[in-house]
Amino acid sequence: GENVEQHPSTLSVQEGDSAVIKCTYSDSASNYFPWYKQELGKRPQLIIDIRSNVGEKKDQRIAVTLNKTAKHFSLHITETQPEDSAVYFCAASRAGTALIFGKGTTLSVSS
Amino acid sequence: DADVTQTPRNRITKTGKRIMLECSQTKGHDRMYWYRQDPGLGLRLIYYSFDVKDINKGEISDGYSVSRQAQAKFSLSLESAIPNQTALYFCATSDLSGRSSYNEQFFGPGTRLTVL
Repeated sequence: GENVEQHPSTLSVQEGDSAVIKCTYSDSASNYFPWYKQELGKRPQLIIDIRSNVGEKKDQRIAVTLNKTAKHFSLHITETQPEDSAVYFCAASRAGTALIFGKGTTLSVSS
Repeated sequence: DADVTQTPRNRITKTGKRIMLECSQTKGHDRMYWYRQDPGLGLRLIYYSFDVKDINKGEISDGYSVSRQAQAKFSLSLESAIPNQTALYFCATSDLSGRSSYNEQFFGPGTRLTVL
């Protein structure tokens, strides 16, 4: 089955800096790669996703890149703000299967 | 608003007790999932169901069972709870009919379970 590795497990940045979180996956048939954000005490919520026919997708300050050959994808957050502090999860799935999540990255943005 | 709800939100029980966690959704989604969250281990898939007659094991199904009573309800049972099942449990739903992002999963608020 699918296995998703996520790095780093913790990330501390200064407000205004960029943050990058990286994930690798094992199943070459996976074709959907979402990123979820979980604020303290709350449920995970989708912030951005990418399908395997796309190499990059942007939504304001966040972007995701996908390298299918290398089986890795990354989340990029620019101009970080204190409200970006949260746990971020990457995930992967193929058609007809459930999402498999990485172990999460705790991002702390200090002002 | 259409939502995913979980009951109870918090539960403390003793080793050996049978526990049921319930999930209901008003989103009209076909697919439902149970995950557990442990610090440093992320979200691990326990069971999932793609329709009422479909049940599939996830990454960590041992010690758990599920029941899909209706399209809107998916229950998780611990037949004989043990302390290492202490965790935060999330139910989630998704819909591939095109009404939402491809396989986007919507999570419930979570149930915090403590097994003493």
